[in-house]
Amino acid sequence: AQSVAQPEDQVNVAEGNPLTVKCTYSVSGNPYLFWYVQYPNRGLQFLLKYITGDNLVKGSYGFEAEFNKSQTSFHLKKPSALVSDSALYFCAVRGRITSGTYKYIFGTGTRLKVLA
Amino acid sequence: NAGVTQTPKFRILKIGQSMTLQCAQDMNHNYMYWYRQDPGMGLKLIYYSVGAGITDKGEVPNGYNVSRSTTEDFPLRLELAAPSQTSVYFCASTPGGGNTEAFFGQGTRLTVV
Repeated sequence: AQSVAQPEDQVNVAEGNPLTVKCTYSVSGNPYLFWYVQYPNRGLQFLLKYITGDNLVKGSYGFEAEFNKSQTSFHLKKPSALVSDSALYFCAVRGRITSGTYKYIFGTGTRLKVLA
Repeated sequence: NAGVTQTPKFRILKIGQSMTLQCAQDMNHNYMYWYRQDPGMGLKLIYYSVGAGITDKGEVPNGYNVSRSTTEDFPLRLELAAPSQTSVYFCASTPGGGNTEAFFGQGTRLTVV
């Protein structure tokens, strides 16, 4: 089965502290993984992706994510959180519909709250 | 560059009414998707299209219909609105292949009363 799990509904972190938002996945074959952020009343904005190559992927707004194949995880990280990072974060994996046809499978989202 | 444009942004429907959610993209993307977002449930795929004239059902297609007469447009039709269709609807597009990110519209917040 193809799926994505975000085990935490909400993550609270103090401004200036490092943050981690967790994501694990289940997919056959090589995983294509994505992180998106959603601000209130807005669409999803792309942050970063892992397709192949280095396990540490750098993205927008200082975010990075670490791909761990053995743990089937793709955790989102940032060394120093900002209040403006407070938003809803979604992890997604490419899922196969048919040979050559794909969809994006999303986790349930993690609300990040950065406290001043 | 507008990207993916959805209209309307908000709508209130009465039970049994019909409406069409519009989605247009100007990036010449082949793939287009409709998702609905419910609190705590993430995004669920309603319908998708891999090109003009080609559409197929996703995970939650009941109560919806789509068409794709052009590359740019991918409208979502609700024929007989039900309270269970109260949700936020997102349209997305990608060039194809699955190794690129999806580009999302701003969403349509629909309430059925």
